[in-house]
Parts: sequence; structure tokens; C-alpha cells
Amino acid sequence: EIVMTQSPATLSVSPGERATLSCRASQSVSTYLAWYQQRPGQAPRLLIYGVSTRATGIPARFSGSGSGTEFTLTISSLQPEDFAVYYCQQYKDWPPLYSFGQGTKLEIK
Amino acid sequence: EGQLLESGGGLVQPGGSLRLSCVCSGFTFSNSAMNWVRQAPGKGLEWVSAISGGGASTEYADSVKGRLTISRDNSKNTLFLQMNSLRAEDTAVYYCAKAAYRSAVVTALGVRYYMDVWGKGTTVTVSS
Repeated sequence: EIVMTQSPATLSVSPGERATLSCRASQSVSTYLAWYQQRPGQAPRLLIYGVSTRATGIPARFSGSGSGTEFTLTISSLQPEDFAVYYCQQYKDWPPLYSFGQGTKLEIK
Repeated sequence: EGQLLESGGGLVQPGGSLRLSCVCSGFTFSNSAMNWVRQAPGKGLEWVSAISGGGASTEYADSVKGRLTISRDNSKNTLFLQMNSLRAEDTAVYYCAKAAYRSAVVTALGVRYYMDVWGKGTTVTVSS
């Protein structure tokens, strides 16, 4: 099984600054990597799929990069609504057991 | 894009049963594979189960196999999760989520997909 590891567990960044979140796979997932945002008390929301394709309605300040085992979610110029928990998910393997990373909490500095 | 609305959560004693529902709209439900994903208090996301568009194929996480059963009624655009022999570790918010892959409709299981539409979740608490 592929294990997804996110770092850091918590990231403190000031509004208006850039945030960089990392996700590592225990083996290659090619480009089958998605990112989700979960605001407090809300359901997860798809941000990015295929490493770098933004989902419908996602602002351009969200960008994804990487391939194989190393992936990055970058949020440029953080807005107040961006402070949330972010999860990466690989979808190369079936069934999607343990397919989510443990999450990175992005908090206001 | 679609809307999903879960219901049926509540407080149940260990060993008890619950049936969760997820009413779907805004997309062709019968063409879409669907999932249940749960989140224990203060924890991350855990995929629980999936079902193909027609309902013939299902898959489960090992932690719930034999106790939870996924099903669907395509005539009512509704996804279900029958939960039996509940344990304290099943306490979580349960989300239904639609499978997607780029612009394609994901109907079968065993293919690669992410989850593009999520419901708001329903809370299940297993406690005496």
C-alpha cells in the first residue's frame, strides 16, 4: 500500500504571505494526486487534481506541482478564508485504503 | 456540479445499528460511483466504502468489512450505509462523496478517481 505523508503538521503564515505545503508518497503515484481543503466545521472541498489542475471555482492563488513521490501545494498571498486543514490524496492505487495524508493545518501567524 | 445531503447519524450504543442516507442531486446519480469517507473527532480523512454506479460492485476498508454495507437506490438518487455491530472507533462524521476523473463520468470501481463533490456530513457517535 502507498502511504502519504504531509509536512509540516502545522504551518503558521501571515495573511498576504505565501504558504508551501508538502506531500510525500511512499512510492510513485505518477500524477494521480489530489488536494482537498477543509475549513473548520465544514466538509472537505476538492482543490486540485492531477497534481496541478484546479477544480471548478478554485482561485488561481492555489497551485500544485510535483510528480512521482514529491508534491507541493502553494498558496500565494494568503486570504483569511485559506486558513484551514489541507489533505493530499493519491488515487493511483485501488482500493483507496489509507489514500489520504494526515493533513497540514494552516494557521494564522 | 452536484449536491449531496447526508442524514441518519446519531448516538448509538456499542453493538447497535444505524442507517445513513445521502440524497444526491445536480448530476446523473446512476452513472456515478459513490463513496463514504469518515473523519473521527480531531483526526484525518478515512475512506470507508465505495459502490459502482449500477450498484453491482462494492468495496470496503478492512476496518469495516462485514459490519458496514453500502447500497444505493438509483430511482431515488440516494446512497446508503447500513452500519451494524457498531464500535466506539466508528465514532466519526460520515461524508458521502462522488467519484470523478477529469471530465469523465466514473461509473465503475477499480479505476482511478478522486472525489469532486462532498456532502456536509452526518455525525455518528457510538457510546454507552
